[in-house]
Amino acid sequence: DAGITQSPRHKVTETGTPVTLRCHQTENHRYMYWYRQDPGHGLRLIHYSYGVKDTDKGEVSDGYSVSRSKTEDFLLTLESATSSQTSVYFCATAPTTSGSPNEQFFGPGTRLTVL
Amino acid sequence: AQSVTQLDSHVSVSEGTPVLLRCNYSSSYSPSLFWYVQHPNKGLQLLLKYTSAATLVKGINGFEAEFKKSETSFHLTKPSAHMSDAAEYFCVAPFSSNTGKLIFGQGTTLQVKP
Repeated sequence: DAGITQSPRHKVTETGTPVTLRCHQTENHRYMYWYRQDPGHGLRLIHYSYGVKDTDKGEVSDGYSVSRSKTEDFLLTLESATSSQTSVYFCATAPTTSGSPNEQFFGPGTRLTVL
Repeated sequence: AQSVTQLDSHVSVSEGTPVLLRCNYSSSYSPSLFWYVQHPNKGLQLLLKYTSAATLVKGINGFEAEFKKSETSFHLTKPSAHMSDAAEYFCVAPFSSNTGKLIFGQGTTLQVKP
């Protein structure tokens, strides 16, 4: 993989609490992504970043926010966790080739349970 | 906009027999296409990618895929399944040419029986 770590790897929390997941990369890739994986849905994009402080929404962004203050770190925050946000969350990164991102490299995932 | 359809949610084969995982895509231009594999409780790993250099693409672990524009297909094959191939497989396409966003198929679970 591309030196991508996610923390925590597992978390159980209660409805209504804020949660922050961290993605850290050591490859100096420009692009970073947060996905959630749920049975029958494949992976769905939550937010992505195309540079430091540059982020945009994906298809399932409601209830989530992100921040990227350094190239290597991309944080995903659940502002007030709900049971529907119980999922496995994957971070991915992509370098750029000729100005467009190449294939993505994935972290090991974070399993989040909201009770 | 692009879309990706994996035609089988579950495929079961016997060890040593061929594997075929089917993927159709919808695109207004010749895309890049990828196959990723996910073993249980692991992240996704790139198996192979098509980027218009050659229509038959070889990947890791003996897998290959053929891009057929006339059929809008990118099926994944392997001549002889191994027990370690049991995993979930995703066909993936870029959402557009320059956003970096990807569209994932819903996945195909490959079961390999001894």
